Amino acid sequence: QQQVKQSPQSLIVQKGGIPIINCAYENTAFDYFPWYQQFPGKGPALLIAIRPDVSEKKEGRFTISFNKSAKQFSLHIMDSQPGDSATYFCAASRVGTYKYIFGTGTRLKVLA
Amino acid sequence: EPEVTQTPSHQVTQMGQEVILRCVPISNHLYFYWYRQILGQKVEFLVSFYNNEISEKSEIFDDQFSVERPDGSNFTLKIRSTKLEDSAMYFCASSPIWDTQYFGPGTRLTVL
Repeated sequence: QQQVKQSPQSLIVQKGGIPIINCAYENTAFDYFPWYQQFPGKGPALLIAIRPDVSEKKEGRFTISFNKSAKQFSLHIMDSQPGDSATYFCAASRVGTYKYIFGTGTRLKVLA
Repeated sequence: EPEVTQTPSHQVTQMGQEVILRCVPISNHLYFYWYRQILGQKVEFLVSFYNNEISEKSEIFDDQFSVERPDGSNFTLKIRSTKLEDSAMYFCASSPIWDTQYFGPGTRLTVL
């Protein structure tokens, strides 16, 4: 119930491609879903986050799609660049708790 | 832009020794967290801290761990008697309210 399942584990795309990373959850009490980007040796950096009252949120080249009925959410990276090569983590949290449950991460490589 | 800072960046210790990991959260934030990430694995929640007390802790956060906010700026994680399996990256995070968490760069703990 507390798990967040993330796929794929790794992803390779060409520059300009649109990588899509998927996450699924079981606990319907989750109501905040952030995505983090992590470069080697660095801490996770917040990219974008969504709440379940909207189905899509866009910030720059990053878009979250949210499907409440399916309990799934996805990160799309438009016009991907080699500098986007990093590990991406989805997470989930709910009001009244003070922790994130992280997915297992997706290692993205964007080829030049 | 304000950042969470952590010291040291790398700590090497002998099994059974005590270590203290230090963090300076973003100054106007009220919630503080510790997470850990074993090499190549997902980020795991350890503990959250609010209003000078632990708000929530995971099963990982046993009696060997403690947290403290000794003054108005620092937030520390103490491991009393380190084990080999404590080797990991430890991330401090802070948030102004319960949801959006900002992570520091991490402290790599190596237990020999």
